[in-house]
Amino acid sequence: QQQVKQSPQSLIVQKGGISIINCAYENTAFDYFPWYQQFPGKGPALLIAIRPDVSEKKEGRFTISFNKSAKQFSLHIMDSQPGDSATYFCAASMDSSYKLIFGSGTRLLVRP
Amino acid sequence: NAGVMQNPRHLVRRRGQEARLRCSPMKGHSHVYWYRQLPEEGLKFMVYLQKENIIDESGMPKERFSAEFPKEGPSILRIQQVVRGDSAAYFCASSPGTSGSRYEQYFGPGTRLTVT
Repeated sequence: QQQVKQSPQSLIVQKGGISIINCAYENTAFDYFPWYQQFPGKGPALLIAIRPDVSEKKEGRFTISFNKSAKQFSLHIMDSQPGDSATYFCAASMDSSYKLIFGSGTRLLVRP
Repeated sequence: NAGVMQNPRHLVRRRGQEARLRCSPMKGHSHVYWYRQLPEEGLKFMVYLQKENIIDESGMPKERFSAEFPKEGPSILRIQQVVRGDSAAYFCASSPGTSGSRYEQYFGPGTRLTVT
């Protein structure tokens, strides 16, 4: 119940394309869903986050889509660039515990 | 505004030695979290601390691991009698802990521990 399942494990996209990464959860008590970007040898950087009271949030080229009934959320990267090549992690947490439960990560490669 | 700072960035210890990892949260942040990342895996929660208090240590191994966040100074993650399986990247995150933004955790660059 504490798991967050992330897919795909790896993703190759051409420059200018749309990258889509999906996550699913079981615990309906989760109420905060962030996405992190991690480059090799670096710490995760907070990209964008959503609460379950909205179905979509957009910041620049990054969009989170949230489906509460399906218990799924996804990250869309529009106009993907080679500089977006990194590992992306979804996560979830709940009000009673601030700890983040992370997905297993998606390694994105954007080809020039 | 400086980000979360961790030191050392790389640490090599022989089996049986102690490892001390330090974390200075972002300015104005009073909540600290430690996570561990094994190679090619996601991050796993270890412990959540506020100043002088351990709030949640449900992810900490019961033996050899301890954490503190004193009134003055950085948070410390201490691993006694290290074993090869402790080799991992250890990340510290901090958050403001205030309503509305309390969830936003900002991560440091990590300490990569290698046990030989």
